[in-house]
Amino acid sequence: GENVEQHPSTLSVQEGDSAVIKCTYSDSASNYFPWYKQELGKGPQLIIDIRSNVGEKKDQRIAVTLNKTAKHFSLHITETQPEDSAVYFCAAPRRDDKIIFGKGTRLHILP
Amino acid sequence: NAGVTQTPKFRILKIGQSMTLQCAQDMNHNYMYWYRQDPGMGLKLIYYSVGAGITDKGEVPNGYNVSRSTTEDFPLRLELAAPSQTSVYFCASTPTGLNTEAFFGQGTRLTVV
Repeated sequence: GENVEQHPSTLSVQEGDSAVIKCTYSDSASNYFPWYKQELGKGPQLIIDIRSNVGEKKDQRIAVTLNKTAKHFSLHITETQPEDSAVYFCAAPRRDDKIIFGKGTRLHILP
Repeated sequence: NAGVTQTPKFRILKIGQSMTLQCAQDMNHNYMYWYRQDPGMGLKLIYYSVGAGITDKGEVPNGYNVSRSTTEDFPLRLELAAPSQTSVYFCASTPTGLNTEAFFGQGTRLTVV
């Protein structure tokens, strides 16, 4: 396969709780790790990214953590809100210029 | 600034027909990509291009062709449409393939009957 694995495929959390989505990759040359959000009927949009020289990056309620040794990175959403319901994708651009996406996580925020 | 523009938004094709999905970007990006997204599934790379005159196969290129005669345009051609090509197609562009954000179009929903 193209070596980007994303888990879980579906995630339901109570409004106000936290959500965590994890991706693993195999190309050790990857040094840019973005997360995209896709709302219904739209194309994916970047919500946060991290580069290999940092271990964590935060933007308000969203954070991404990177473990290069283990080749995985995670998306953390705190204090979830109804508008966080969407499909989330990780990606791992590779040295051959392909951008391969994970299979996506459908996040449901429960009232 | 329009970003990445895809046309048409929707299309129904009969088996065996051909069509071209258009993609244009006005950001002067060198790298462009075509993905397909089947219902409830992820994004699979069909073809990509790192610059005008250069194209390469992705994960699922069979049944498709592309060309890149200009920096702005990256059309995707279906020659003999099959039901298995029913999907939503997304075009994306980046300034360079690595280390930069990908900008997506709004998608083309294609149904082959």
